[in-house]
Amino acid sequence: EVQLVQSGAEVKKPGESLKISCKGSGYSFTSYWIGWVRQMPGKGLEWMGIIYPGDSDTRYSPSFQGQVTISADKSISTAYLQWSSLKASDTAMYYCARHFNDYHGRYYFDYWGQGTLVTVSS
Amino acid sequence: EIVLTQSPGTLSLSPGERATLSCRASQSVSSSYLAWYQQKPGQAPRLLIYGASSRATGIPDRFSGSGSGTDFTLTISRLEPEDFAVYYCQQYGSSPPMFTFGPGTKVDIK
Repeated sequence: EVQLVQSGAEVKKPGESLKISCKGSGYSFTSYWIGWVRQMPGKGLEWMGIIYPGDSDTRYSPSFQGQVTISADKSISTAYLQWSSLKASDTAMYYCARHFNDYHGRYYFDYWGQGTLVTVSS
Repeated sequence: EIVLTQSPGTLSLSPGERATLSCRASQSVSSSYLAWYQQKPGQAPRLLIYGASSRATGIPDRFSGSGSGTDFTLTISRLEPEDFAVYYCQQYGSSPPMFTFGPGTKVDIK
């Protein structure tokens, strides 16, 4: 069974750093891209970026480039999203999702993590 | 960069009624790259439709997707109580390579 299990909720202060995780299981972790999606309170979904754990090739949304860092450790089947200096506006739910490219060339996010709530408040 | 617009913002319907949700792109999107997701309160999004018209595994056949180019539609033929949720369309664009979600349509109980 494919599963993406994310790390638990975090409460941080502005200026602090943070790294949240997404552990994949039940499939070949190195063979599928993993994306990160932000959902601010009461708002919609925003794609942040995506990583291919096989070679750590990473792409960012222009809106998030330079604001976050996406990485992966294929030895433990885990992808990460990190901030060096959090802001109150980073308060949101963050989801990881597996990207699938099927044999017809169709692209979609087929499995999602349960989400990690990040709260940034002084 | 492709922008997705969804309408209506909110759709108020009764169980058993038909729901028609629209997703419009600012420029042509490959049907292969258009997907729909359902999100219920407190839950992660769930894939419903991919390739504009293919149902994901386990999705009931009352859900159907159609469209091409810049206009796509998600139809729920007869609303069940569990279908009241927010629905997002999403596309992949290759220049630059990025994914975009629409703002969502909330289907609530009338």
